[in-house]
Amino acid sequence: AQKITQTQPGMFVQEKEAVTLDCTYDTSDPSYGLFWYKQPSSGEMIFLIYQGSYDQQNATEGRYSLNFQKARKSANLVISASQLGDSAMYFCAMRAPYGNKLVFGAGTILRVKS
Amino acid sequence: DVKVTQSSRYLVKRTGEKVFLECVQDMDHENMFWYRQDPGLGLRLIYFSYDVKMKEKGDIPEGYSVSREKKERFSLILESASTNQTSMYLCASSSRLAGGDEQFFGPGTRLTVL
Repeated sequence: AQKITQTQPGMFVQEKEAVTLDCTYDTSDPSYGLFWYKQPSSGEMIFLIYQGSYDQQNATEGRYSLNFQKARKSANLVISASQLGDSAMYFCAMRAPYGNKLVFGAGTILRVKS
Repeated sequence: DVKVTQSSRYLVKRTGEKVFLECVQDMDHENMFWYRQDPGLGLRLIYFSYDVKMKEKGDIPEGYSVSREKKERFSLILESASTNQTSMYLCASSSRLAGGDEQFFGPGTRLTVL
């Protein structure tokens, strides 16, 4: 069965600094996809970034990048130049091999300090 | 602008009541999902559907049922609400294509069962 582990329940970062949110995963399937979502206090889930298991390059989307280390089964999210608006809950998720189901981690609450 | 809407943002029901949560998407997506979100547990999949009149159990289907009579609409039913079903419920949809197609989420329904 697939499993996502986010070991940091909460983190603080100073505005304008970079921050890394950890995510490790477990799957026996060679084909999978990894997603990061942001959930602000308003509750909506916002898609940030995607990494496929066969992608050679680490995914990047603006200030977001995914540090994909396949051998270590980790898919950490790096946010550069943190902004106050980055304060939110962040979820790592993995797409199961059959269909488009997602398995989510417990989430990490990020607080950006001014 | 793509959209997933849920019938209520907040709902309060009594133990034993039958509860209907409605979800509508306007993206012509084949896949639709119902999750519940609880602190420290992330999002857990209740049921999902790949097509009209088709449904499959997720990880925590007990106490829930679903209905998908039209492609754009996916309903979650609590046959006899219990206090342990107090939670945030999130609906999502995605296209059938595999790959990086993310799931689009609705705003969520915070259900309280008294």
